[in-house]
Amino acid sequence: DTEVTQTPKHLVMGMTNKKSLKCEQHMGHRAMYWYKQKAKKPPELMFVYSYEKLSINESVPSRFSPECPNSSLLNLHLHALQPEDSALYLCASSQDRAGHEQFFGPGTRLTVL
Amino acid sequence: AQRVTQPEKLLSVFKGAPVELKCNYSYSGSPELFWYVQYSRQRLQLLLRHISRESIKGFTADLNKGETSFHLKKPFAQEEDSAMYYCALRGPGGNTGKLIFGQGTTLQVKP
Repeated sequence: DTEVTQTPKHLVMGMTNKKSLKCEQHMGHRAMYWYKQKAKKPPELMFVYSYEKLSINESVPSRFSPECPNSSLLNLHLHALQPEDSALYLCASSQDRAGHEQFFGPGTRLTVL
Repeated sequence: AQRVTQPEKLLSVFKGAPVELKCNYSYSGSPELFWYVQYSRQRLQLLLRHISRESIKGFTADLNKGETSFHLKKPFAQEEDSAMYYCALRGPGGNTGKLIFGQGTTLQVKP
């Protein structure tokens, strides 16, 4: 399996809901990433996990809570989001952090009402 | 500050014409640069990285440290090259994994 998968493809949630985005890879990669991409804009890094430990948090609001339960899975827990958080959320993975290609998933299209 | 600039939002050419997508960067240190491509309804994928110095799908890119540029070139554009192209810089420290993307250039190849 040489792909990064993300579920769900689309998610609509209210501002009081709690939901989670899931990302999975079976390439043996030890670095995983969450990016946020607004329409017609480049991806912006949110979090980096390296060997299941959070290594970078780009000053993301606490209403976004990442979790890496094992080397193949990465979750993004969402709570009390705002409409401006509506975006495409991309997951990526790489062999490790240093100098390796990042493989991107197809993304989850999130709409916050 | 580390920054990537892609001056053109849209580049429109006819099939068979040469293509050059511009990318300039600012970085204090030895940069590591990439071109990523996103075809319609497909995921973002790596096209080129400067350290590999290879040609992919007829595209090449040369790092010019004097001009702080990493322009993407193809001598003869094909319709299937139509996509969004992002230039990206690996962030400070090199081994953080952080990619800094430019704003992207949409390449439109007309028949």
